[in-house]
Amino acid sequence: QQPVQSPQAVILREGEDAVINCSSSKALYSVHWYRQKHGEAPVFLMILLKGGEQKGHDKISASFNEKKQQSSLYLTASQLSYSGTYFCGTEIYYGQNFVFGPGTRLSVLP
Amino acid sequence: NAGVTQTPKFRILKIGQSMTLQCTQDMNHNYMYWYRQDPGMGLKLIYYSVGAGITDKGEVPNGYNVSRSTTEDFPLRLELAAPSQTSVYFCASSSFIPGQALYEQYFGPGTRLTVT
Repeated sequence: QQPVQSPQAVILREGEDAVINCSSSKALYSVHWYRQKHGEAPVFLMILLKGGEQKGHDKISASFNEKKQQSSLYLTASQLSYSGTYFCGTEIYYGQNFVFGPGTRLSVLP
Repeated sequence: NAGVTQTPKFRILKIGQSMTLQCTQDMNHNYMYWYRQDPGMGLKLIYYSVGAGITDKGEVPNGYNVSRSTTEDFPLRLELAAPSQTSVYFCASSSFIPGQALYEQYFGPGTRLTVT
C-alpha cells in the first residue's frame, strides 16, 4: 500500500516550476509532504486532510484530490535551496498505516 | 527543546554482533517510529509505538526489536548484525489525538550503521 510518486526525478533551472504527484490505491485520510536534503533527516513541509484542501507557504503549495486519492506538490519559481528528495506519506485512517512513498529527487541548477 | 536525539551518530559492527540504537524525544509525543533508509532509497518503517508499553511492527521488522518503557525513549535493538542491516536509521516522533490526523513527524539526525 505504498503510495506511488511521479516523476522519480526532475531537473530544473532556477526560476522554473515543478509538480510532484503522489497517488494511492487506498482511500486516504491525509497526505504528508517532507523534504530531505542529502545527508540530512527529512523535514516536514505540510499536511493535507481529505476534503480537497489546498495549502501552501512561500512558493511551495499542495493540493489533495479526494476523488482521485492523489496529492500534488507545486514548487514555483524554484530556488537552489529546493533541491532534495521529496517524500509523500499517506495515512489511511486516524493514526494508522502511515507509509512513505519512494521519493522524488529534485535538482535545481543555477 | 532538543527535539529528537539519537546516539550514536556512526557505528561499525562486525557480523553477528549486537547493539542498541538510542532515541529520546523531549516533546511529550505519544507516537514514535524507527525507519531505515538504504542509500538512494526511501524510508522503510521498522517498528513504531503509539505510547509507553505499546509497540507494533512496520514493514521491515525482521532482525530488530524495540521497547518503549517511557514516553521519551524508544531504543532499537539489533541482534546478530548482518551486512543487509547496513543503513541509516532514523528515529521520529509525532503527536496523535484520537479522531484527528497524525501531526507532523520530527526526525532525529540519524545513525549511520555499517555491518562488515
